[in-house]
Amino acid sequence: NAGVTQTPKFQVLKTGQSMTLQCAQDMNHEYMSWYRQDPGMGLRLIHYSVGAGITDQGEVPNGYNVSRSTTEDFPLRLLSAAPSQTSVYFCASSRKGTAQYFGPGTRLTVL
Amino acid sequence: GIQVEQSPPDLILQEGANSTLRCNFSDSVNNLQWFHQNPWGQLINLFYIPSGTKQNGRLSATTVATERYSLLYISSSQTTDSGVYFCAGRMDSSYKLIFGSGTRLLVRP
Repeated sequence: NAGVTQTPKFQVLKTGQSMTLQCAQDMNHEYMSWYRQDPGMGLRLIHYSVGAGITDQGEVPNGYNVSRSTTEDFPLRLLSAAPSQTSVYFCASSRKGTAQYFGPGTRLTVL
Repeated sequence: GIQVEQSPPDLILQEGANSTLRCNFSDSVNNLQWFHQNPWGQLINLFYIPSGTKQNGRLSATTVATERYSLLYISSSQTTDSGVYFCAGRMDSSYKLIFGSGTRLLVRP
């Protein structure tokens, strides 16, 4: 099992550019989620999904889109990057009633 | 909604010392977990502990769900234990984890 994988590990964008952060899991988990973590801060939930075709907003969804076409993949899209989106992004997955596992993170800088 | 509070917010230990980190929940919680975020930023699962006690090497955790708290014990601390420790829980029938603000631990050699 690879667990939860994220790509890329690092990314630098210019303001206004778009990009997609990739997340995949091979544990057949129905629940997947995206968090952002700013320096010295805790984790804030951006979007989550409880299964293929089902997504919902977390605490800080503005500026981000998600889709869930398969159980394995849950990409996060930044449509028009802003400096306020400079952060470390974590993807996570779990099955209901069990432990949640995190990916290694993507460090994003928006200039 | 539930609130998750961790204490202490910061802790400095000399290598070899023991410590106890506490996590309190404001409402009934299931699926309690403890995570360690190491200095490189990785979030590592320590314990999935809805109730009872578990041990893994020098670390152990106890959750008393009826009293809405969990404790993480670190014995014979090492410099590699440094980082931030988060607890997180879910309410019944919810997938979403609610995180505490963390305990920042520094273990000095």
